Order: sequence, then structure tokens, then C-alpha cells
Amino acid sequence: EPEVTQTPSHQVTQMGQEVILRCVPISNHLYFYWYRQILGQKVEFLVSFYNNEISEKSEIFDDQFSVERPDGSNFTLKIRSTKLEDSAMYFCASTQNINTEAFFGQGTRLTVV
Amino acid sequence: AQSVTQPDIHITVSEGASLELRCNYSYGATPYLFWYVQSPGQGLQLLLKYFSGDTLVQGIKGFEAEFKRSQSSFNLRKPSVHWSDAAEYFCAVGAYGNEKLTFGTGTRLTIIP
Repeated sequence: EPEVTQTPSHQVTQMGQEVILRCVPISNHLYFYWYRQILGQKVEFLVSFYNNEISEKSEIFDDQFSVERPDGSNFTLKIRSTKLEDSAMYFCASTQNINTEAFFGQGTRLTVV
Repeated sequence: AQSVTQPDIHITVSEGASLELRCNYSYGATPYLFWYVQSPGQGLQLLLKYFSGDTLVQGIKGFEAEFKRSQSSFNLRKPSVHWSDAAEYFCAVGAYGNEKLTFGTGTRLTIIP
């Protein structure tokens, strides 16, 4: 069964450092998403990406965040200068279109120290 | 703005017993509604979704949910739970399809023998 793959599963980084979270969406999917879940809190939408550009973003997704689909297979989330409050589980998701099932990856746990 | 409330943080059910997980949403128009399940160390898996049509929707693993517009609810049910159903369950609402999902805080389900 096709699946969304995220790497690494756990990343520890120092405050102020840049971090890149990587995702390989399902190959024929066209819409891509990042969500995050701070420990004990809700899963929150960050950004959606379609046709090589951001289609929606939340107020959380400020200038410190960026997304990219550099090579047609990977979908990355970059946090330019990490803060302690960026510590969370980050989920990548993809779907063929907005009316079909969105498949989520297993998540990357980011710990900022 | 859309929102989702899952009033039960933790539910314990005996194996073989019936289950109902509550979900209330707030959204101005016809919502797109979802139930996801997350097992430990796993990503989010879609159980079922409601976009339109029949208000009783069937999902995977024997789950069903009923959309009640008058009550702004989308409760998840299963007639007989199995030990493997122990997981975290999330209700979510979307403005249009999968775009920009808003999740509830989740309900942790524990199954006792």
C-alpha cells in the first residue's frame, strides 16, 4: 500500500538552528500539507501546497517557515531559526485531490533544546 | 472560524462493548467532516469522512459516524470494540474537502479485557 514517508523520525536541534523536515508524498498525489502537534495539544494546520506554490497557510506559518518541493518527489518544511516552542510532532500529508483521502506520514518529532 | 470539540479526553471500554466517541463542530456552511485514528508511533489514518449525501457514513474497521446538522455533531460509533481499537481518535472539519483541516484535541480509547 502506498504511504507517505517522513524523515527523520526524531530530530533534536539547538535553538536558533535551521532544520529541514523531509517528506516523500505518494507519487501521484498533487496536494501536500504540513501539520504539527505540540505535545498534549491539537493537530494544527500549517500549510498546503499545490502546483508548486502555497495555496493556504495558517497564522502559525510565519516567515521562519518555508516549504519546497525541490525535485518532484520530496516535500520539505524548513524552519529557519528554531525556537523552543517549535518543539512538536510534524506531520506531512498528501492527497490526489481535495475530495479524496489525505494520507498522513508517521511524523517527525522535533525537539528544540 | 471553524472549530471542533471532542469532550471526552479518555474513554475506557470493555472488549466487545459498544463505543461512541463524541464530536461537535462549529462551521458556518456545510462542513467536510473526518474521523482519524492514531496508534502509538503511527501517523493519522482516515477512518471515514462525510462530504455530502447520506448522513450515516461507514468507514473502515467496522466504524460508522452520523452527521447531525441540528446538533452540529459527528459522533463515531462501533457496535463491538476489539483490543486493537485502542488508540487516539481525532475528529476534524474542513472548509472544502481536505483543505486546512481543523482537528479536535482527540479522545484516547483504552480497551480492557
